[in-house]
Amino acid sequence: RKEVEQDPGPFNVPEGATVAFNCTYSNSASQSFFWYRQDCRKEPKLLMSVYSSGNEDGRFTAQLNRASQYISLLIRDSKLSDSATYLCVVLYSSASKIIFGSGTRLSIRP
Amino acid sequence: DGGITQSPKYLFRKEGQNVTLSCEQNLNHDAMYWYRQDPGQGLRLIYYSQIVNDFQKGDIAEGYSVSREKKESFPLTVTSAQKNPTAFYLCASGAPGYEQYFGPGTRLTVT
Repeated sequence: RKEVEQDPGPFNVPEGATVAFNCTYSNSASQSFFWYRQDCRKEPKLLMSVYSSGNEDGRFTAQLNRASQYISLLIRDSKLSDSATYLCVVLYSSASKIIFGSGTRLSIRP
Repeated sequence: DGGITQSPKYLFRKEGQNVTLSCEQNLNHDAMYWYRQDPGQGLRLIYYSQIVNDFQKGDIAEGYSVSREKKESFPLTVTSAQKNPTAFYLCASGAPGYEQYFGPGTRLTVT
């Protein structure tokens, strides 16, 4: 079993829709969590950190469920420009071990 | 402007040649990382360094070497021992235990 797992998608949704995807992790010692966005043939860019209480940044909401060991990303009122691959990242307390999920591909259609 | 630079953006080499990829950061980050990404795949950690003159192997270090002589620089050498060197190489930096920031990457093609 992979340490960090994501549904690869693709998720194909119409503009304006709400879309959510999860990422599960296997090691309960995980300390920090992040969502990155990666456009085709570009580097990953930090989208948001994920805090225990959940956090929101505009149309994006991230949640952490430690009991079930997953994090989620919700995108409201999706835009064409949201089309990208979203990477889930888990950091362990050793601070040296950081695991990237393989990504979930999202495609927004007009 | 603070950031991470990688050069070159595209690199072509013949099989059997060693090649060195550059990574420089002016963010004053202690930790630097090298990843490899293959088409449709996630990132895999090659090497990382948390402090000058020290570095550790990641999950796929075989066929690669690094040095960390300066805080700002973390070059990666892809040696002829690496069996499948063609890939997208990403360098990142960050404070240990915090989020990482990536350079624009180098696409290496070996024929």
